[in-house]
Amino acid sequence: DSGVTQTPKHLITATGQRVTLRCSPRSGDLSVYWYQQSLDQGLQFLIQYYNGEERAKGNILERFSAQQFPDLHSELNLSSLELGDSALYFCASSPSPQTADTQYFGPGTRLTVL
Amino acid sequence: DQQVKQNSPSLSVQEGRISILNCDYTNSMFDYFLWYKKYPAEGPTFLISISSIKDKNEDGRFTVFLNKSAKHLSLHIVPSQPGDSAVYFCAASADRGSTLGRLYFGRGTQLTVWP
Repeated sequence: DSGVTQTPKHLITATGQRVTLRCSPRSGDLSVYWYQQSLDQGLQFLIQYYNGEERAKGNILERFSAQQFPDLHSELNLSSLELGDSALYFCASSPSPQTADTQYFGPGTRLTVL
Repeated sequence: DQQVKQNSPSLSVQEGRISILNCDYTNSMFDYFLWYKKYPAEGPTFLISISSIKDKNEDGRFTVFLNKSAKHLSLHIVPSQPGDSAVYFCAASADRGSTLGRLYFGRGTQLTVWP
């Protein structure tokens, strides 16, 4: 158990819909990262937050947005969903924003768009 | 553009033997490398890391070797155990020392250790 929790575990929805994925980092970790793992792309970095502020952005679509709240939990919002958005979404956390710190991953949310 | 490549999607090794997982990268700015292990239905778990100022790092049965001139790293597991069967991801970062925390991942290698 990494100490990072993600809800829900599974999500099935239809094209055009909007969903919210939730992540609670390990106790004491200030930095949260979101990754997408699809079948043909491997793990792709989406976005990073540190202590409530956006710190780095990767290959995140404009239809996707994220935020980190004062209690440090984070939400990833996916809207106007397409079939290609079906993937595993992982959240990770680390004590600081520097990559030298190990990132600890949650169990992931499996999103299926029908 | 895949900047971290794991060219072997799978590897099968007998218990007790050495497992060697390979990883290549293209970005010469990468200065920190990590290996993660992933079991089904779980998130990736950190295994071992190495800084670009070193060429070897060892932790128990796991050793990572870095060849900067070849832009290549490898993970050695000795001796391999059935519980090591998992997907292994190589990851790299160019941001050590800065405030950016992006990791670039390879697509993973499925290791199967048979008795």
